[in-house]
Amino acid sequence: QSVLTQPPSVSEAPRQRVTISCSGSSSNIGNNAVNWYQQVPGKAPKLLIYYDTLLPSGVSDRFSGSKSGTSASLAISGLQSDDEADYYCATWDDSLNGVVFGGGTKLTVL
Amino acid sequence: EVQLVESGGGSGQPGGSLRLACVASGFTFRKYEMNWVRQAPGKGLEWLSYISSSGDTTYYADSVKGRFTISRDNANNLLYLQMNSLRAEDTAVYFCAREGFSAYIAFDSWGQGTQVTVSS
Repeated sequence: QSVLTQPPSVSEAPRQRVTISCSGSSSNIGNNAVNWYQQVPGKAPKLLIYYDTLLPSGVSDRFSGSKSGTSASLAISGLQSDDEADYYCATWDDSLNGVVFGGGTKLTVL
Repeated sequence: EVQLVESGGGSGQPGGSLRLACVASGFTFRKYEMNWVRQAPGKGLEWLSYISSSGDTTYYADSVKGRFTISRDNANNLLYLQMNSLRAEDTAVYFCAREGFSAYIAFDSWGQGTQVTVSS
């Protein structure tokens, strides 16, 4: 059971917009930066969003992040087939003194 | 180009030991904090351990505390994970990851991973 809660799966049609939620607590999301990763099966994860809303260089602006209180969200607009992947939220947990990941959300582009 | 390449994976017996290595290139290794993350078959990502740029501060997940040890050799751009008292549940792909934005503990570069299988 992950400390951060994500929906196991989401799906949406091409060119549409989808959001993935990540729910935590005051010891993690509520007090620390949230980062998002994309992982294509069999590959290494890729950083998509850091510090809640910032995009690393080279990441498409179709990806955006937000945070409110103890929850965070990743939004992907203009869905493309190669967005199909697993998405993970992550942050530091002050109580555990370590990084915690969400359980991951599998995105299917219909 | 930033590159991280893990090695040292393979098969180990329960109760045994393995040492993973991660060689870094394309950046000034000694300036960056580093981490190990693993992924069990069909499961999500699990953070294991952190080491500061100088090597004098480390953190561990409860699942590996007391069994695994993270270390680094800044002169040779190497990161290590010494894994002792191996268990079947340690079977996973192990990734090393760089903290590119350390204030936010964001892993901006990852190795390709090395497979560890623990079985009798």
